[in-house]
Amino acid sequence: GAGVSQSPSNKVTEKGKDVELRCDPISGHTALYWYRQSLGQGLEFLIYFQGNSAPDKSGLPSDRFSAERTGGSVSTLTIQRTQQEDSAVYLCASSLAPPNEKLFFGSGTQLSVL
Amino acid sequence: DQQVKQNSPSLSVQEGRISILNCDYTNSMFDYFLWYKKYPAEGPTFLISISSIKDKNEDGRFTVFLNKSAKHLSLHIVPSQPGDSAVYFCAASNSGTYKYIFGTGTRLKVLA
Repeated sequence: GAGVSQSPSNKVTEKGKDVELRCDPISGHTALYWYRQSLGQGLEFLIYFQGNSAPDKSGLPSDRFSAERTGGSVSTLTIQRTQQEDSAVYLCASSLAPPNEKLFFGSGTQLSVL
Repeated sequence: DQQVKQNSPSLSVQEGRISILNCDYTNSMFDYFLWYKKYPAEGPTFLISISSIKDKNEDGRFTVFLNKSAKHLSLHIVPSQPGDSAVYFCAASNSGTYKYIFGTGTRLKVLA
């Protein structure tokens, strides 16, 4: 597609369940980012991929969070044993190889943990 | 440690007037800066960027100014239009890395 696609757009889950969020970047973009925006907060960096490797996982809040990218394209962010504080909008972005390349964002996945 | 700060959470401006959104940063290694606009239920969209070798970049109604000595940048929108009402984020990076640090955003409301 022409833009970054994220699915699902909304996810409601019960505390303790696992969730998977998907991101399809723009074709040809080698860099992929996950950010999180909690209510009333800015964009919090989670993880960065260059190709299929993630040189920086420092933003992942806990070991319940993991992400992978396959074929240099699609990425999934998995949250295990979800907690209420995980409720946020999860945003994926892609870009040409950094540095100094603008990020193109998807519309995000609104995650609500009850 | 909030390396990129947008100290005004909200701003209201009359249609046709100038909107000025401010952003401060603490890391002197940052050398590339971007502004994004975000509407509700949508992802942020790129507006304008500036490299530290410049102090001004202009694109239509949008101008970004960079004051390196003060570690301050601002986005000017002239003239402001109701469709500009959105949340604006500034972001900064060090071109030696890939990581973009975002501010907390400023909600702009342009009054008709």
